[in-house]
Formats: sequence, C-alpha cells, structure tokens
Amino acid sequence: IQLTQSPSLLSASVGDRVTLSCKGSQNINNYLAWYQQKLGEAPKLLIYKTDSLQTGIPSRFSGSGSGTDYTLTISSLHSEDLATYYCYQYNNGYTFGAGTKLELK
Amino acid sequence: EVQLVESGEGLVQPGSSMKLSCVASGFTFSNYGMNWIRQAPKKGLEWIALIYYDSSSKYYADSVKGRFTISRDNSKNTLYLEMNSLRSEDTAMYYCAKGWFFDYWGQGVMVTVSS
Repeated sequence: IQLTQSPSLLSASVGDRVTLSCKGSQNINNYLAWYQQKLGEAPKLLIYKTDSLQTGIPSRFSGSGSGTDYTLTISSLHSEDLATYYCYQYNNGYTFGAGTKLELK
Repeated sequence: EVQLVESGEGLVQPGSSMKLSCVASGFTFSNYGMNWIRQAPKKGLEWIALIYYDSSSKYYADSVKGRFTISRDNSKNTLYLEMNSLRSEDTAMYYCAKGWFFDYWGQGVMVTVSS
C-alpha cells in the first residue's frame, strides 16, 4: 500500500487549526498511525488506529478517517508543534508516507 | 520508563557487514514484536524489519530482503540487526521501535556506507 501525504509543506500561524492528509492506494482498515519528528530527534507516536491518542500527547491533536482517507488535525497550533509529520499504515505491509513539514508562516 | 538504546554505529565500506543492537528496558520485552526503521539523510522514514515477540515470524522490506537479518534474545532484552552486503544507499539513521505501531523509539544510530 502506498501512502500519499499532502501538502508536503504547510505554513501556518500559532493558533491556527491545521489539517494534514494521508491517502492510501488501498483500503487501510483504520490501521493508520501518525508520528511527529522534530529536527535531530527520533519520531514520536501521536495517534494509532486512526483516532486513538497516545498517552501523554496533548488533546489538541486528533485523528480521523476511514477506508483510504485519513486526517491529522491540530486544533490550535503551538510553536512547539513545528515538525515533520508522518503517517504509517500497518494493515497490509508496513508503509510510511513521505511526510508533511509544518513551518511557521 | 521504557527505554530503547541502540549501539553499533559506524562507517563501513560497500560490501561489508555490520551488526546493530538495541537493548530494551522498562517493559516486558518478550511480550512485544520489535522493528527496525531507518531514515536516510534528509529523507523520510522507511520500515525495514519486524520480528514477532517469540521470533516465530520475521518480515523484511524488499530493499533489504536477503541482505539483512533481524533477531532477538529475550533473555538479554536485546534486538539485533545483522546487515550484510552493505550499499551506499543503506547509509541512514537506524532506529529500533516497539510494537505494531512503534509506541517507543530508540535514539537511533548512524550507519555510513562509503569507500
């Protein structure tokens, strides 16, 4: 399964509502996770099974979707959220998307 | 506290071999599948190998199949990645990660393949 993330680069302001997209080439059956990677750090799990928030992750992060289309939403952008975000499917094989880099406008 | 600590970082020539280790603590290692994931410089993430909790099944990305071997020693809480016939395109940061959806990651080790 191929994953396509869009946009590849997103410019936003602190306080903005931000939506990142991840589309699969086939049905992912909700086996979709999201990771945040800051420069020079290991990735961190944010969301698993489409909409389950990992322990310790702020509630401004949420996931949704079904079938082939999935979304990560940040309800109100904080400056510390600037990072690259990757989606990952574990339904059929194990595939990452190419990432969305979130930068300050 | 869950910790994953990789070791084995280094610079090697094309065609050579290298073995990475990942020592786990803070959870019952023998209950979880474990993975290796890599990231080439300035590139995205690539899952490369998974081993079940009891070593009964192992899966590999096509890019490393037949060259890399994942293994584990549950008595030592340690995950391994043996890498043979290394190529320049294997140059990357290598991470170990826990479970089906990587809820914990190590800090990563850099593997550089260059003559």
